[in-house]
Amino acid sequence: DGGITQSPKYLFRKEGQNVTLSCEQNLNHDAMYWYRQDPGQGLRLIYYSQIVNDFQKGDIAEGYSVSREKKESFPLTVTSAQKNPTAFYLCASSMRGSHSSTDTQYFGPGTRLTVL
Amino acid sequence: LAKTTQPISMDSYEGQEVNITCSHNNIATNDYITWYQQFPSQGPRFIIQGYKTKVTNEVASLFIPADRKSSTLSLPRVSLSDTAVYYCLVGAGERDGGSQGNLIFGKGTKLSVKP
Repeated sequence: DGGITQSPKYLFRKEGQNVTLSCEQNLNHDAMYWYRQDPGQGLRLIYYSQIVNDFQKGDIAEGYSVSREKKESFPLTVTSAQKNPTAFYLCASSMRGSHSSTDTQYFGPGTRLTVL
Repeated sequence: LAKTTQPISMDSYEGQEVNITCSHNNIATNDYITWYQQFPSQGPRFIIQGYKTKVTNEVASLFIPADRKSSTLSLPRVSLSDTAVYYCLVGAGERDGGSQGNLIFGKGTKLSVKP
């Protein structure tokens, strides 16, 4: 059963702690993405990766880090430097990761992070 | 950046046809128009994509006029389960300074279907 998975679904963190969100896909997609969504808002791009061992900053990368050691995995670390980390985090993947808007993105179920 | 403008919210009743219009005045020649649907606490789901004229699939239709400065998503005979946020997007290409491979999600249109 192909798809994109994220874990955990809910995550609680104390201030000052780093936390890593998991994202895995078995769609054989080259590109993977991380978005952040705040209540009532659209999605904002944090990081994206078009190929293994390469990734680029999105619009709100500060306070986040990623790695892309395997094609199917793109974990996101929310560091203590992120001033307001409480949000809904969405991971996506697409086949080519090209500039073309025909490259449809497929999203995971999301992880809701709450900082206590 | 190729931005889009959509109504913030719309109300409808079960069985009605719903049309959501999106404006994208600065759409680039190579850009396609893509619509996504998002339910609360879930990831967005691809609905339909088109370049010009009309595209239809099992879920919706997409109407795009010749100037491509707007598009209309049409949902036939909506049901309560169509209550969701609908996003209209166009690609943000490298030449526009946007993040490569990024689709810009605005706030979307919150559709509420009532019985």
